[in-house]
Amino acid sequence: QVQLQESGPGLVKPAQTLSLTCGVSGGSISSGAEYWTWIRQHPGKALEWIGFIYHSGSPYYNPSLKSRTIISVDTSKNQLSLRLNSVTAADTAMYFCARMRRDGSNYFFDYWGQGILVTVSS
Amino acid sequence: DIQMTQSPSSLSASVGDRVTITCRASDGISNYLHWYQQKPGKAPKLLIYGASILQSGVPSRFSGSGSGSHFTLTISSLQPEDFGTYYCQQSFNTLLITFGGGTKVEI
Repeated sequence: QVQLQESGPGLVKPAQTLSLTCGVSGGSISSGAEYWTWIRQHPGKALEWIGFIYHSGSPYYNPSLKSRTIISVDTSKNQLSLRLNSVTAADTAMYFCARMRRDGSNYFFDYWGQGILVTVSS
Repeated sequence: DIQMTQSPSSLSASVGDRVTITCRASDGISNYLHWYQQKPGKAPKLLIYGASILQSGVPSRFSGSGSGSHFTLTISSLQPEDFGTYYCQQSFNTLLITFGGGTKVEI
């Protein structure tokens, strides 16, 4: 059973960088055809895809966040990371990491972390 | 961007009711449509992928149908544990994955 766990600071100051990690257990981040993803959810709002990465490929980002986002994997630690630069209050949200599985041409999120609430405030 | 529109935004139903949630895509997305259930304070849970394929472990009272731009999620007999918010997600454009706005189901 794959498990994901987000970690990082719950409070970030405006204009600083939000940095989160996602530890993966119960499976290797570098095996299989899965992709590793970050998704966020503003309070009381719908889900927003941030981006995904394959363990040996380039990341892909939501165009609305691309200029400020870096997603990477560390296969030695079996973890996924997110960096979001120049944050504002609009980046206050619950951040989830998730495994994106491919089935034919379908891509969907079958395992999720519990999420971490990040508040941007001075 | 492919916009996903869900209706209704919320509904209240009784145990045993048949419940249907609709998801419409702004462009045709074939069957690249997936459904999730989210309970308060929890991560979403995958229910259905490929428009109609039930994820392992999900009760058979959940079903999905549709293709192109019109999709439905049906709960054949609503149970108390089915409360929560339901989201659709398209993966036709994998370079910009988008979700619907959600449908809140109250028992």
